[in-house]
Amino acid sequence: DTEVTQTPKHLVMGMTNKKSLKCEQHMGHRAMYWYKQKAKKPPELMFVYSYEKLSINESVPSRFSPECPNSSLLNLHLHALQPEDSALYLCASSHPGQGANTEAFFGQGTRLTVV
Amino acid sequence: DQQVKQNSPSLSVQEGRISILNCDYTNSMFDYFLWYKKYPAEGPTFLISISSIKDKNEDGRFTVFLNKSAKHLSLHIVPSQPGDSAVYFCAASAGTYKYIFGTGTRLKVLA
Repeated sequence: DTEVTQTPKHLVMGMTNKKSLKCEQHMGHRAMYWYKQKAKKPPELMFVYSYEKLSINESVPSRFSPECPNSSLLNLHLHALQPEDSALYLCASSHPGQGANTEAFFGQGTRLTVV
Repeated sequence: DQQVKQNSPSLSVQEGRISILNCDYTNSMFDYFLWYKKYPAEGPTFLISISSIKDKNEDGRFTVFLNKSAKHLSLHIVPSQPGDSAVYFCAASAGTYKYIFGTGTRLKVLA
């Protein structure tokens, strides 16, 4: 099983809403990531969790709040987003191998539209 | 500051021929490189990787070459197939969990 599952696939939310994106993997990976991708741009790293602890926050605005309840799950809580936050949000996971040099597996993404 | 660059936004190749996708990087601390393939509205799919201690890695139709002195890597796909049509991203890591992606190259394989 080399699958990372993200829900929902599509999400439309208003600027005053609170919503959450969910990500799940059962590959035994202990590193999990959130990336954001805008149209015609590369994926940009937002957060990394290593062994359920936040290890990298790429100066992401506080309206994005990550959570890693256990080694298989990763959430991204959204609150008071702006229309420019509309993007494809990608979750990934990897096995923290030697020097963390190992491939990351990505989910299908959540297409988020903020209205 | 784009540390990983793919200077060709698009590439068209005839079916059966070789596709060569290029990637340049500026950070000499990068020691692990990956190629991903991406279809629209889907997540990237891992293709192949290479460590900086190697200069070549092969997996079936895919070969990645690394030239550390030139800070350049390339992905060769032989033979190219119509199903290979997608956007290809190279990515690099400096021994951390931080993968930096290039800007992508859209490959179109013509039947």
